[in-house]
Amino acid sequence: AQSVTQLDSQVPVFEEAPVELRCNYSSSVSVYLFWYVQYPNQGLQLLLKYLSGSTLVKGINGFEAEFNKSQTSFHLRKPSVHISDTAEYFCAVSRINAGGTSYGKLTFGQGTILTVHP
Amino acid sequence: DTAVSQTPKYLVTQMGNDKSIKCEQNLGHDTMYWYKQDSKKFLKIMFSYNNKELIINETVPNRFSPKSPDKAHLNLHINSLELGDSAVYFCASSQKWGYQQYFGPGTRLTVT
Repeated sequence: AQSVTQLDSQVPVFEEAPVELRCNYSSSVSVYLFWYVQYPNQGLQLLLKYLSGSTLVKGINGFEAEFNKSQTSFHLRKPSVHISDTAEYFCAVSRINAGGTSYGKLTFGQGTILTVHP
Repeated sequence: DTAVSQTPKYLVTQMGNDKSIKCEQNLGHDTMYWYKQDSKKFLKIMFSYNNKELIINETVPNRFSPKSPDKAHLNLHINSLELGDSAVYFCASSQKWGYQQYFGPGTRLTVT
């Protein structure tokens, strides 16, 4: 089974400051990795995903994440945040089957609330 | 155009009632999912249908019954509602099994 731990439940930051949201995962098999964002009273939107290739993945809205296999981490970063980035962020993994495609079931972390202050 | 839509957006009901939540996707996807987000924001998959066939059925009380009349719809029916069923329920779809999932806006269910 897979598990995902988001190390910070809340991250307050000032506008234009850099931010890192931490995510560690545990799995006995290879996984795909995702970051989703949930704005207040809205559904989840995919920010970025790591399937293979370069370990540095760029997503929407200026976010990027780095896959570190040895540390089983997939931390999300943004060099300069905006007020509009205030939202809850979820890290998720999906097991990869023998055929190299995702098992399909997403296992989510507990979420990190990012609050950007002016 | 909304890709994955859910109705209703909010649902307040009393214990013991039976209710349904509807989900529709207009993306032409083969696979649909139901997730539950509890009061601590923990998201967990409940069901998944691929081409109208049930392929994931997590440890969910049998009071919950998904129904997929066609590939574009996956409805969730809940019998004998309990206080612990209060949560936000998200529907999602993907082009095929294992592909990127697109989420609906969620349905906030409150059982009193």
